[in-house]
Amino acid sequence: EAQVTQNPRYLITVTGKKLTVTCSQNMNHEYMSWYRQDPGLGLRQIYYSMNVEVTDKGDVPEGYKVSRKEKRNFPLILESPSPNQTSLYFCASSLGSRGYEQYFGPGTRLTVT
Amino acid sequence: TQLLEQSPQFLSIQEGENLTVYCNSSSVFSSLQWYRQEPGEGPVLLVTVVTGGEVKKLKRLTFQFGDARKDSSLHITAAQPGDTGLYLCAVITDSWGKLQFGAGTQVVVTP
Repeated sequence: EAQVTQNPRYLITVTGKKLTVTCSQNMNHEYMSWYRQDPGLGLRQIYYSMNVEVTDKGDVPEGYKVSRKEKRNFPLILESPSPNQTSLYFCASSLGSRGYEQYFGPGTRLTVT
Repeated sequence: TQLLEQSPQFLSIQEGENLTVYCNSSSVFSSLQWYRQEPGEGPVLLVTVVTGGEVKKLKRLTFQFGDARKDSSLHITAAQPGDTGLYLCAVITDSWGKLQFGAGTQVVVTP
């Protein structure tokens, strides 16, 4: 089954404790991205990757890091989480960047206390 | 201010009623996408519209792209509880194909 998987689905952590949210897709997609979703603000892009070893900042990259060492994986790293990073996070992938359907993962609900 | 303004923010209707949600902007776009997000899941693409004035139908859902390609609407006929969800519009905003989303319209259809 074609899918995007994220882990963990739920995470409660404390300020400053480094964490990684994994994302993996099995569709051989080149383009992957991370979004955060907050009430009233919709989905905002954090980082995106055009292909292996090619990443760039989205609209809200502060406090986040990413890497793309393999085509299928695109982890999101929070080096020192803060309460304002409490949010619902989605990973997405698509064949390409322009106008292609984005396939979203099921989401990771992160709470930073 | 948001690039895409979606209205209304929330809509609650009874099964069998019709509804329309809107996605508006002052900018012109080459294409616009509509997604639906159900509770606990990621958004799923419903349709992409690319031509001004274009109308696309997906069963009971009708999507229209404005003539000037600045706005779009989604009309649902005879809504069913399965239509409940957050409806999001999105547009490509740069040469890299970055998608920008509206804040969404939450639709609740009660039996």
